[in-house]
Order: sequence, then C-alpha cells, then structure tokens
Amino acid sequence: SYVLGQPPSVSVAPGQTARITCGGNNIGSKNVHWYQQKPGQAPVLVVYDDSDRPSGIPERFSGSNSGNTATLTISRVEAGDEADYYCQVWDSSSDHPVFGTGTKVTVL
Amino acid sequence: QVQLVQSGAEVKKSGASVKVSCKASGYTFTSYGISWVRQAPGQGLEWMGWISAYKGNTNIAQKLQGRVTMTTDTSTSTAYMELRSLRSDDTAVYYCARELGDYSNYWFDPWGQGTLVTVSS
Repeated sequence: SYVLGQPPSVSVAPGQTARITCGGNNIGSKNVHWYQQKPGQAPVLVVYDDSDRPSGIPERFSGSNSGNTATLTISRVEAGDEADYYCQVWDSSSDHPVFGTGTKVTVL
Repeated sequence: QVQLVQSGAEVKKSGASVKVSCKASGYTFTSYGISWVRQAPGQGLEWMGWISAYKGNTNIAQKLQGRVTMTTDTSTSTAYMELRSLRSDDTAVYYCARELGDYSNYWFDPWGQGTLVTVSS
C-alpha cells in the first residue's frame, strides 16, 4: 500500500519559517491534506487539497506539492504552533486514506 | 457550528467489546460519511474505517475486518463504532471525523474530541 514518510522532528525559532515535508511515490499526482495535533487534543485540519486553508486557519499556514514531496510551510512561527503535524492522502488503489508518520514541531 | 461529540472514556478487559458513540450537530448528518481513526499512546494516526451516514454502507480497514462494526442512527445523528475481542494493543484514543471531498480525494474535518479506550488484562 501507499506509504508517506515525514521527518520525526523539526525545530524552529519564533518568527522564523518551518517547513515540514511529506514524501511519497509521485505524491504530486495526489491531493495532500495536513492536520495539526496539539498535546491531548484531536487533530485539526490546517490545509486541504495541497494548498487550501479551511476558514479560521491563519494565512501563515501554506502548502505545496510536486514530484515526490509535499510541504507544509508555517511562516512567522509562534509558540502556539508547537504540535505534531500529519499529512494525509487518499490511496485510490486500496480505497482508504493514508496518514504520514507525523512530525513534531518544536518552537525554540 | 459543525461539531462531533464522542462518548466518554472506557476501561475494558481483554476479550470484551466496546462501543463508542459520535453525535453530530451543525450540519445535515446524512450528507457526509464518518470515518473512525485511532491513535495508540505516543503513536500516529491509524484509519479504521468509514460509514456512509446516508446509506449505511461501510469500508473497514483490512486488519480490523471481523472485529469492527460501524453503524449510524439517523434519528439522533449519531455514529457508532463497536470493536470486539479487545486486546491490549487496542488501547488507544478513538476519534470520529466527518469525511469531506469526492472522487477518491477525501479529508477529515472536523474531528471528535476523542475517546480513550484502555484494555486491561
């Protein structure tokens, strides 16, 4: 089945830019969705369809997808952005979603 | 606002069953499917399956087939997930989530608050 890989951790200073990658075979041909999960809380959708933001999500969150890598970018990082982030695609061959392994973002 | 509210934490013995509920509000329940996703302690997200709130048909992850039943009650806008023959590695937080999208492109928003199921021997 389809596999998505993410770096286990990313560290970033406040005000800087965090980039979280999600790798998969020809992932650029799929739509990628991103979730933020803070400790003890449920996941929250922050980007869908590669680069669209749900209402209420700050413009600081953006996404891109090409080739074998999708990227979630968090600009002007704040302490409140510290969380785990998961990418997700739909695997049409098995007709179910696949989640990435998750990336812990630490704000220094 | 669109909201999914789940039932409370459960502690079960190995071999028992658990049934978790997920009550939807703020949207037309039968217009969207509901997926169930679980997260073992310190681990990532694992999709368990999906149910159409309109027709009641399901798509269950292969590794859980035979142990999981998903149902809905449209009169109360509530989805249910029952897991049988519980084992210690079923200890996890169980989430329901509304499924959005179409044509083999689906995502999840919003999610329920989660239900901790602890399986003890």
